[in-house]
Amino acid sequence: GAVVSQHPSRVICKSGTSVKIECRSLDFQATTMFWYRQFPKQSLMLMATSNEGSKATYEQGVEKDKFLINHASLTLSTLTVTSAHPEDSSFYICSAPQRTGTYEQYFGPGTRLTVT
Amino acid sequence: QKEVEQNSGPLSVPEGAIASLNCTYSDRGSQSFFWYRQYSGKSPELIMFIYSNGDKEDGRFTAQLNKASQYVSLLIRDSQPSDSATYLCAVNRKDSNYQLIWGAGTKLIIKP
Repeated sequence: GAVVSQHPSRVICKSGTSVKIECRSLDFQATTMFWYRQFPKQSLMLMATSNEGSKATYEQGVEKDKFLINHASLTLSTLTVTSAHPEDSSFYICSAPQRTGTYEQYFGPGTRLTVT
Repeated sequence: QKEVEQNSGPLSVPEGAIASLNCTYSDRGSQSFFWYRQYSGKSPELIMFIYSNGDKEDGRFTAQLNKASQYVSLLIRDSQPSDSATYLCAVNRKDSNYQLIWGAGTKLIIKP
């Protein structure tokens, strides 16, 4: 399957700071990428759809000013958690369809964020 | 009613037996169906997708789709301890820029 990378894999930050997570499609171009959050023992929760060259689409209840998404190229989307708080501690995962116009999503390895 | 429903489990199956995982969905117009496997602490991995009614086989895995009953299943033959994971069912969300709707997942335990 397609290869999607994420960086960093694990990050610990202090409350009030911002953290940037990168998601890259390594062997294909992705006009769309998805950002998910997953709390322990819970299912995936879609946060937002990242669209190359345009604004991201956020799911209901997700604060767009807190979770900044930038999709500046066909292979890179970034998620910045601003003014992080302990309740933002979670597993953040990005995914992308390998081919434009398909539903098959391939996931990055995820970023585990811990806010102290 | 949830859009995609799965039994949370855990489903315990002896090694070597067939594991059967089930998923129902509410939108009769859905056309694309996916099974992902997620190991604890890892991200989901695509195992199979199915678009047409009937069975689709890939190695030890068989996906079954019945659109009339709005039901999709995953069979794992000759279950191995390494198959122990949470299995997520996903269905396409229409008119949504290719989003998927996710079930909560079924935890599968293969007992040696």
